[in-house]
Amino acid sequence: DTGVSQNPRHKITKRGQNVTFRCDPISEHNRLYWYRQTLGQGPEFLTYFQNEAQLEKSRLLSDRFSAERPKGSFSTLEIQRTEQGDSAMYLCASSPRTPQETQYFGPGTRLLVL
Amino acid sequence: QKEVEQDPGPLSVPEGAIVSLNCTYSNSAFQYFMWYRQYSRKGPELLMYTYSSGNKEDGRFTAQVDKSSKYISLFIRDSQPSDSATYLCAMSAENAGNNRKLIWGLGTSLAVNP
Repeated sequence: DTGVSQNPRHKITKRGQNVTFRCDPISEHNRLYWYRQTLGQGPEFLTYFQNEAQLEKSRLLSDRFSAERPKGSFSTLEIQRTEQGDSAMYLCASSPRTPQETQYFGPGTRLLVL
Repeated sequence: QKEVEQDPGPLSVPEGAIVSLNCTYSNSAFQYFMWYRQYSRKGPELLMYTYSSGNKEDGRFTAQVDKSSKYISLFIRDSQPSDSATYLCAMSAENAGNNRKLIWGLGTSLAVNP
């Protein structure tokens, strides 16, 4: 399967704990996006990488969130000191050099903070 | 006012019906228009991608963009029970750093009844 993969698929944690999610994009895609989706809503943009450079981070993202893409391949999203409001589906997408507007999504990581 | 408006439904149709799904938007800078299908607890799946105005057809699916009215549509012909899902419109503009972050509608829940 050459699609976008995300791990873990599900994560249950207690409030205050740190969590880290991983995304492996389609191999030849140089752009990578993280989104967050809650029930009944469309995905909400979190951050964007072009190769290893993080070029934009949503103003909605608190300092507890950090993302990396160290070698321009896989990416990690870390949430520190989780809060119940962080419970959501975290989606990763990648896009090719052309057409760069098309984004292909992974299955998501569903986070539940108790 | 949200940048992208989409009626969340639910929409229920009999098998074989023609389905019409719509979104309106307010940002005239949007140039790239996508329709995604999302099954429950899965990531969004890209269905159709259109640049600027016009129509695009792919099998039973037709996407239309009317930039003068800021209105986009997705038509599904000969709908099947397997089409039952949430359909989300998404759009983007040319942003700094080639960030094509997607701005999403809420999604329309569709049920096709056998």
